[in-house]
Amino acid sequence: KNQVEQSPQSLIILEGKNCTLQCNYTVSPFSNLRWYKQDTGRGPVSLTIMTFSENTKSNGRYTATLDADTKQSSLHITASQLSDSASYICVVSQYYNTDKLIFGTGTRLQVFP
Amino acid sequence: EAGVTQSPTHLIKTRGQQVTLRCSPISGHTSVYWYQQALGLGLQFLLWYDEGEERNRGNFPPRFSGRQFPNYSSELNVNALELEDSALYLCASSPWTSGDQETQYFGPGTRLLVL
Repeated sequence: KNQVEQSPQSLIILEGKNCTLQCNYTVSPFSNLRWYKQDTGRGPVSLTIMTFSENTKSNGRYTATLDADTKQSSLHITASQLSDSASYICVVSQYYNTDKLIFGTGTRLQVFP
Repeated sequence: EAGVTQSPTHLIKTRGQQVTLRCSPISGHTSVYWYQQALGLGLQFLLWYDEGEERNRGNFPPRFSGRQFPNYSSELNVNALELEDSALYLCASSPWTSGDQETQYFGPGTRLLVL
């Protein structure tokens, strides 16, 4: 069964600290993996997209990694800010079915001053 | 550039009723996607429209349907509403038919409450 699992479910950190969110998937055949940020009450916003051949991709203070062999990805947030408080969603698409995205349930991150 | 817009923002219905949600994609985008996000759950893919045609469908019953108009805007219709249909319904658009490398841009969503 094609699934995307994220951990932890929720996370609280202090402003300025770093954190790493995890994503494990069983989607096959794999096409690409995306990380989205979703603020409360808003639609998700894309942070990164990685294909099979990409190991890492950065977007400002966000760095995503992908290990296609172990089917794991991580999202590292550096020097967190209060505005980073949101849900972070890992999304995987299947080859030949790339529009039927498979979403993880997300990690809820709260950054406190 | 205007983003994806959705209407209404909030909606309250009772069981058995029918509802229509609307979405306008980003100008130039031909593909529209619909997702359901129930409380505490991840987004579930509902439907994908491109060039006026339904291209793909998620694991939802036939009472979930929709259409895409010549101007690429889209409607999502839900008939015979059930309590578990209460959710945030998100619309996304992308600029071309093959979504492999294209980012989907999401609208703010319509929050539906079924009583």
